[in-house]
Amino acid sequence: GQSLEQPSEVTAVEGAIVQINCTYQTSGFYGLSWYQQHDGGAPTFLSYNALDGLEETGRFSSFLSRSDSYGYLLLQELQMKDSASYFCAVRDSSYKLIFGSGTRLLVRP
Amino acid sequence: SQTIHQWPATLVQPVGSPLSLECTVEGTSNPNLYWYRQAAGRGLQLLFYSVGIGQISSEVPQNLSASRPQDRQFILSSKKLLLSDSGFYLCAWSLGGPYNEQFFGPGTRLTVL
Repeated sequence: GQSLEQPSEVTAVEGAIVQINCTYQTSGFYGLSWYQQHDGGAPTFLSYNALDGLEETGRFSSFLSRSDSYGYLLLQELQMKDSASYFCAVRDSSYKLIFGSGTRLLVRP
Repeated sequence: SQTIHQWPATLVQPVGSPLSLECTVEGTSNPNLYWYRQAAGRGLQLLFYSVGIGQISSEVPQNLSASRPQDRQFILSSKKLLLSDSGFYLCAWSLGGPYNEQFFGPGTRLTVL
């Protein structure tokens, strides 16, 4: 079967750094993506890793290790507006994205 | 620039009634189109995807169907709604080919009573 595992909830303090992990098991692999979704809103694309290593985009970074079927999203200098759900997603052997169940991040003052 | 529209934004329907949700994309040609459903506090479940007009792939057996009558129009339908059909329905598009970035519409919140 195909599955993505990520923690259901993470809490952190404003200004801190938080890491959201994702492990996957899929029939094919064409890259790991991360999406952000605020309550009541639509998911928005954050990052994409096709190769091993770290990709940095402003305060957000994403890491991939294909040999470990593992990746993470790193959020630095947390702000209150970062409180949202974060989904990892893997493109399998077709044109589909397989989404994880999401990690709810709560940023406290 | 590309935009994606969904309507209605919210919908309350009785059990057994029909459903039609519409999604349109502007500013791009021959996109891949997707319908997802999200239960409260849960992840995104892929329902249907389409790589071209009249080409629909179904991911889960259910009482829903999808159609793509035009290149940039994607419709989700049901003849008889069930209570379990309640949820947040999201339409998304991506460029043709194996791209990982999908662009989501604002969604339709459906409540079946």
